[in-house]
Amino acid sequence: GENVEQHPSTLSVQEGDSAVIKCTYSDSASNYFPWYKQELGKGPQLIIDIRSNVGEKKDQRIAVTLNKTAKHFSLHITETQPEDSAVYFCAGGFGGAGSYQLTFGKGTKLSVIP
Amino acid sequence: GAVVSQHPSRVICKSGTSVKIECRSLDFQATTMFWYRQFPKQSLMLMATSNEGSKATYEQGVEKDKFLINHASLTLSTLTVTSAHPEDSSFYICSAPDANSGNTIYFGEGSWLTVV
Repeated sequence: GENVEQHPSTLSVQEGDSAVIKCTYSDSASNYFPWYKQELGKGPQLIIDIRSNVGEKKDQRIAVTLNKTAKHFSLHITETQPEDSAVYFCAGGFGGAGSYQLTFGKGTKLSVIP
Repeated sequence: GAVVSQHPSRVICKSGTSVKIECRSLDFQATTMFWYRQFPKQSLMLMATSNEGSKATYEQGVEKDKFLINHASLTLSTLTVTSAHPEDSSFYICSAPDANSGNTIYFGEGSWLTVV
C-alpha cells in the first residue's frame, strides 16, 4: 500500500518568513495530494490540494508543488503569521470509483514566532 | 468548501456502556465516509470505510464488533463504540468526499470520547 513520509516533524519560523514542508509517497498510482491544517482539539481543515495532472497550485499565501517523477510534493507558506501555527498533515491517495482513500504523513508542527 | 459535521463534539461515558457518534455531510451526499482515530500528537489512523447501504470495510486490527458503523443514508454515518473501556478514550474524526468538487475530502470537527 501507499506510504507517505513527511518532514520536518517540527518547524519554527519567524513571523513573515516562509515555511516549507515536504512529503514523499511510494505508490506511483496515487493521484490526489491534499494538505490539512489541524489546530489543537479540532478536526483537520483542508487548506489546499493538488491532483497529479498539474505540477503547482497556489492560493494566496499557500502553494503546493508536485513532482510525480520523484514522487514528492511540498507545501509552501509565505509571509507566515502567528495564526498559521498548527500541525500540518500531507496525504496521498488514489482516486477510485467514488472516492479517494488517503494515507497521511505523521504531521509537522509549525510554530510561527511573533 | 463542503461541510461535514460531527456530534457530539465531546462525550464522557462509563466503562461498559455504548456511545454513538454521528457524522453528517451537510451540503452534499456521500456514499462513502471514513472514520479515523487520533491519539495525542499522532497522525490520523484509518479505522474503517463506511459504505451507504452496505457493510463497512474495517482496517486490519480494528474490531468490527466493538466499533459498529452504520451508513443509513447518503448524508449520515454513525460510529458506535460498544462496551467502552478507558483505552477507547480518543479523538474520533470522520471524513467524506464531495463528488461536487472532484471528491475533495472534508473532515468533521472530531469527537472527543472519554471513558471513565
